[in-house]
Amino acid sequence: AQSVTQPDIHITVSEGASLELRCNYSYGATPYLFWYVQSPGQGLQLLLKYFSGDTLVQGIKGFEAEFKRSQSSFNLRKPSVHWSDAAEYFCAVGAYDDYKLSFGAGTTVTVRA
Amino acid sequence: DVKVTQSSRYLVKRTGEKVFLECVQDMDHENMFWYRQDPGLGLRLIYFSYDVKMKEKGDIPEGYSVSREKKERFSLILESASTNQTSMYLCASSPGGPGEQYFGPGTRLTVT
Repeated sequence: AQSVTQPDIHITVSEGASLELRCNYSYGATPYLFWYVQSPGQGLQLLLKYFSGDTLVQGIKGFEAEFKRSQSSFNLRKPSVHWSDAAEYFCAVGAYDDYKLSFGAGTTVTVRA
Repeated sequence: DVKVTQSSRYLVKRTGEKVFLECVQDMDHENMFWYRQDPGLGLRLIYFSYDVKMKEKGDIPEGYSVSREKKERFSLILESASTNQTSMYLCASSPGGPGEQYFGPGTRLTVT
């Protein structure tokens, strides 16, 4: 079964600074990888996904993520954060033969002015 | 746009009550899921369904049951609510096969 670790529980970043959120997965074959964002009191919204092909994936809201098979990682980045990026971010992993996704525990991002 | 709706945003119930959480999706998706979300634990899968009247247990099914009589609707049932079921409940749907899931806004359930 697949699993996900998000090592950082909470990150604080200044507005305009860059952001990187870490995600490590465990799965024997090529995984399906996702990043979701959850604003306070809301459901989860998909930021981006990786199934195959180019390992650098572009998403919505200016986010990108890079799949590194050798490191079993799928880190999320944004060059310049906005106050509206304050939210909780979840990494998820799926498999080609499974309907289910496994989610990490989440990383809360606080943006300071 | 895919839309997943949940019957209530906030719900307060008493210990021992039977609780129904309803979820409806409008995109003819095959798969539907119920998760609970607790701080520090992320999302944990309670039950999922890959077809009408079909269901499978997730990671934490104890104390819950589900019903899927129509393709668009997936209900989560707490037969006898307990305080440790106080949580945020999220419903999601996805097309057939593996892939991204689409989430509803969540129901914050408090059991007193």
